[in-house]
Amino acid sequence: GAGVSQTPSNKVTEKGKYVELRCDPISGHTALYWYRQSLGQGPEFLIYFQGTGAADDSGLPNDRFFAVRPEGSVSTLKIQRTERGDSAVYLCASSFGIGAGANVLTFGAGSRLTVL
Amino acid sequence: DAKTTQPTSMDCAEGRAANLPCNHSTISGNEYVYWYRQIHSQGPQYIIHGLKNNETNEMASLIITEDRKSSTLILPHATLRDTAVYYCIVRVDQTGANNLFFGTGTRLTVIP
Repeated sequence: GAGVSQTPSNKVTEKGKYVELRCDPISGHTALYWYRQSLGQGPEFLIYFQGTGAADDSGLPNDRFFAVRPEGSVSTLKIQRTERGDSAVYLCASSFGIGAGANVLTFGAGSRLTVL
Repeated sequence: DAKTTQPTSMDCAEGRAANLPCNHSTISGNEYVYWYRQIHSQGPQYIIHGLKNNETNEMASLIITEDRKSSTLILPHATLRDTAVYYCIVRVDQTGANNLFFGTGTRLTVIP
């Protein structure tokens, strides 16, 4: 498809479980971003990839959160030992990431995570 | 990055122009003004951005004051589908400066 694809769209898990969220960016976009959005708040930056490497992971809240992008395309956000406070919509975005227009991001619809 | 201030909410009658203000009094010379919006249950959508000149595209117009301390996003003929949260973001436009700070935005409600 032409847009950013995220799976699953909804995930319900129990406290303490491990979760993986997948993002398939727009073909040709070298930059990929993960954001988290809690109810009533704006999206909160988590991590940004340029190619395969994490260019900025300053937004990851703690070491339970990890993201990879091994081939510079699809990315997986991994959350270990989930807590109820991790419940949120996890948004992925991509862009050309270089020069003018680097901040023109295309977002996916998000993965809604609920930790019981 | 410079911080932005936006009203929490606004209403607009369908078919009328919606004017959404944003204050960014500490903006620096190389920072652009970006606007995104987020319709309920969707991811944010890029609308427009500019440095100092007014900009227009198929979605909206962006008016930036001469001193660049504030700007206004204009939706010329608002429709019910324009009901969304609108985010004004200030950021340098360069490689590696991609962690946009969204804030809480303005919730625009278009009224029939």
